[in-house]
Amino acid sequence: EIVLTQSPTTMAASPGEKVTITCRASSSVSYMYWYQQMSDASPKLWIYDTSKLASGVPDRFSGSGSGTSYSLTINTMEAEDAATYYCQQCCSTPLTFGSGTKLEIK
Amino acid sequence: QVQLKESGPGLVQPSQTLSLTCTVSGFSLTSNSVSWVRQPPGKGLEWMGAIWSGGSTDYNSALKSRLSISRDTSKSQVFLKMNSLQTEDTAIYFCTRLRIRYFDYWGQGVMVTVSS
Repeated sequence: EIVLTQSPTTMAASPGEKVTITCRASSSVSYMYWYQQMSDASPKLWIYDTSKLASGVPDRFSGSGSGTSYSLTINTMEAEDAATYYCQQCCSTPLTFGSGTKLEIK
Repeated sequence: QVQLKESGPGLVQPSQTLSLTCTVSGFSLTSNSVSWVRQPPGKGLEWMGAIWSGGSTDYNSALKSRLSISRDTSKSQVFLKMNSLQTEDTAIYFCTRLRIRYFDYWGQGVMVTVSS
């Protein structure tokens, strides 16, 4: 099973601040996927195929990485970005998720 | 538009069997795959298993001995059955459309509590 380790576990950012969340895989994967989950809501696909934004995702978000190291970046933090973000690996069953990064607004 | 909706009992007794239904609309089960993902309260996401467009299934090995996923394409429904439930199976259960490698649409989820 591929284990995904996200960091940080929680963080707070001020409006306008740049935010980076990292996801490290225990084995190399071809792509990484990211989901945003608001409180008491279902997760939403946010970034697919490592760097492609899902429909409706603001372009202040970006994704990058390869091999065992991936990241989600918010260029300028906005209040509506406060949520929990999960990474997910595609390429080996069982499909696995990171433990999540809770992002709060300062 | 694509929609998935889970239904099932909110409360299950320990050692009993959980049965959930996912009713989908906006896409066909014969050309799309569906997965179940669960989330214990305050915790992360766990992939449980999938039924592929061709009807074959894959399960998380941690649950494989207790889990069964099936479907009725004529009714656009996917079913989850899991036996021998314990308190640690208390979770929100989501059904999702699976695009081979990722989950692009999610249902609202159904909270299942295992308790006597």
